[in-house]
Amino acid sequence: GAGVSQSPSNKVTEKGKDVELRCDPISGHTALYWYRQRLGQGLEFLIYFQGNSAPDKSGLPSDRFSAERTGESVSTLTIQRTQQEDSAVYLCASSLGIGGGASTDTQYFGPGTRLTVL
Amino acid sequence: GQNIDQPTEMTATEGAIVQINCTYQTSGFNGLFWYQQHAGEAPTFLSYNVLDGLEEKGRFSSFLSRSKGYSYLLLKELQMKDSASYLCAVCTNAGKSTFGDGTTLTVKP
Repeated sequence: GAGVSQSPSNKVTEKGKDVELRCDPISGHTALYWYRQRLGQGLEFLIYFQGNSAPDKSGLPSDRFSAERTGESVSTLTIQRTQQEDSAVYLCASSLGIGGGASTDTQYFGPGTRLTVL
Repeated sequence: GQNIDQPTEMTATEGAIVQINCTYQTSGFNGLFWYQQHAGEAPTFLSYNVLDGLEEKGRFSSFLSRSKGYSYLLLKELQMKDSASYLCAVCTNAGKSTFGDGTTLTVKP
């Protein structure tokens, strides 16, 4: 079956512009995560959606970052007024996400969007 | 909140055994994952532990001690292709996982 997909795969933008990144999770996965990964560094948690619960936004680095998810489907991460420090790979992952162990909580990652802010 | 610690870097020789440790503090613990991430690629699932003890899967094994908040990933008969980052992630009973910063393993000939 189809895995997690993300678009675009690469995005080059100018400082100050807004960007929108898209994630299509695996069908039926209730949990969806966004992460940022700078070159040579670990995964930085940004936001977590779980079903119809209020999203966990505790990882968003500033109010320039926001994310939405439509039901249990596609999610978009928006970065307003981009800065050079926003340059990174943005990874999306999904899982069944119901606290039931490996079969439900293993995260499946998309290929990421590489964002470059000039 | 959760606190997850792993060594930043490790180096080992091809054919050898290496152990990557992970310590954590969390509430509502519901399992610990290990993921592998090759450079330029997305992380992929390696193993999962929820009960104390050792889970073996081929050349890779993962150990958990819940009372000590400790896990390790053991890689045997190292191959050059095992050079990657290894990420420890703790899952709560709400279904949310949190990652450590990862351990970059370099395997040398």
